[in-house]
Amino acid sequence: KQEVTQIPAALSVPEGENLVLNCSFTDSAIYNLQWFRQDPGKGLTSLLLIQSSQREQTSGRLNASLDKSSGRSTLYIAASQPGDSATYLCAVSAGNQFYFGTGTSLTVIP
Amino acid sequence: GAVVSQHPSWVICKSGTSVKIECRSLDFQATTMFWYRQFPKQSLMLMATSNEGSKATYEQGVEKDKFLINHASLTLSTLTVTSAHPEDSSFYICSAWDSLLSGNTIYFGEGSWLTVV
Repeated sequence: KQEVTQIPAALSVPEGENLVLNCSFTDSAIYNLQWFRQDPGKGLTSLLLIQSSQREQTSGRLNASLDKSSGRSTLYIAASQPGDSATYLCAVSAGNQFYFGTGTSLTVIP
Repeated sequence: GAVVSQHPSWVICKSGTSVKIECRSLDFQATTMFWYRQFPKQSLMLMATSNEGSKATYEQGVEKDKFLINHASLTLSTLTVTSAHPEDSSFYICSAWDSLLSGNTIYFGEGSWLTVV
């Protein structure tokens, strides 16, 4: 069964820093990988979707990479802002299901 | 693009009552919908897979008589939490699979926060 792990579980950085969130998965047979953001008390917001044939996707200050062979993905956030504070979840798609990581809780300190 | 709408976003109900959450695919037909639950500080966990016109498939440990799932049409699936208890308070989210799109893309609703008092 696919297992998705996110490290670190929590991260606190000062405003302006660049940071990297990590996601690893045990089964490389995936269709795609997606990064989500979840604010407290709110739903999921999809950030980036990487198909299995792609290596990375970029959106604004966000860049996500995918290395299927090693079972890893990273989410790079440039020039972090207090508004980036949230929980970030990665999920891999295999078959008809998504398997979610436990999330990284990010706090950006003004 | 494809959108999945989930309603309500927030719901508070009394213990012992039932509450229904709807998941709609707005511009595509979803033969399969998924229901997830997230407890605080835990990852999203799959509760059940809902296929249009057939009974839902529940994950181990999920009570099918308590969490009633109906997928009567290609655009609507509902999750009813029956005889809700405070421990059912959680974040529930649905996703829908568009079988006609390439890339095996699954779209998520925004989720529903249930509080049972």
